Amino acid sequence: KQEVTQIPAALSVPEGENLVLNCSFTDSAIYNLQWFRQDPGKGLTSLLLIQSSQREQTSGRLNASLDKSSGRSTLYIAASQPGDSATYLCAVGLGTSYDKVIFGPGTSLSVIP
Amino acid sequence: GAGVSQSPRYKVAKRGQDVALRCDPISGHVSLFWYQQALGQGPEFLTYFQNEAQLDKSGLPSDRFFAERPEGSVSTLKIQRTQQEDSAVYLCASSAGLAGGWVEQETQYFGPGTRLLVL
Repeated sequence: KQEVTQIPAALSVPEGENLVLNCSFTDSAIYNLQWFRQDPGKGLTSLLLIQSSQREQTSGRLNASLDKSSGRSTLYIAASQPGDSATYLCAVGLGTSYDKVIFGPGTSLSVIP
Repeated sequence: GAGVSQSPRYKVAKRGQDVALRCDPISGHVSLFWYQQALGQGPEFLTYFQNEAQLDKSGLPSDRFFAERPEGSVSTLKIQRTQQEDSAVYLCASSAGLAGGWVEQETQYFGPGTRLLVL
């Protein structure tokens, strides 16, 4: 059974710091992996999607990497800003279409001004 | 027609009460999903609709949970005889295509969720 974990559960950093969020999954047979952001009282916003054949994806200050063989993905946030404060969730896709998605529990990030 | 909307935003129910949660997806979106998110956890898949057809309901935790999307747009998640363990945030998401947002270039849009508290 696929399990997704995220470490740390919570993180607090000063503004301007670069940081890395970690996601681990137990079964390397994934189709893709996606990082989401969730603000309090709001739904999830997709940040980056990495196909299983890819190693990384970049969007602005965000860079996500994927190492299927080791069952790990990282989300790198450069020059963090207070507006980056949110919960970040990773989710693995197990199929080619709508197939079941397994979410991690998330990392709660606070960027202190 | 902004994003996905859900109502009510908050619901307090007494144990044993029936509740109905509504999701208005983005107009024209084919795929619609329901998720359950317990406190401090990631969302868990409940069910998936492609237009009006419920193609997957394997995530529904019990037969007290029922979802419908009769005209292929608005969807309702109904929980009968609510229990305390049903307390969670219920998220709805929609996407334009058939892949449900798990194909590159296709985005899954989430609603703000309904926070259900069963006393």
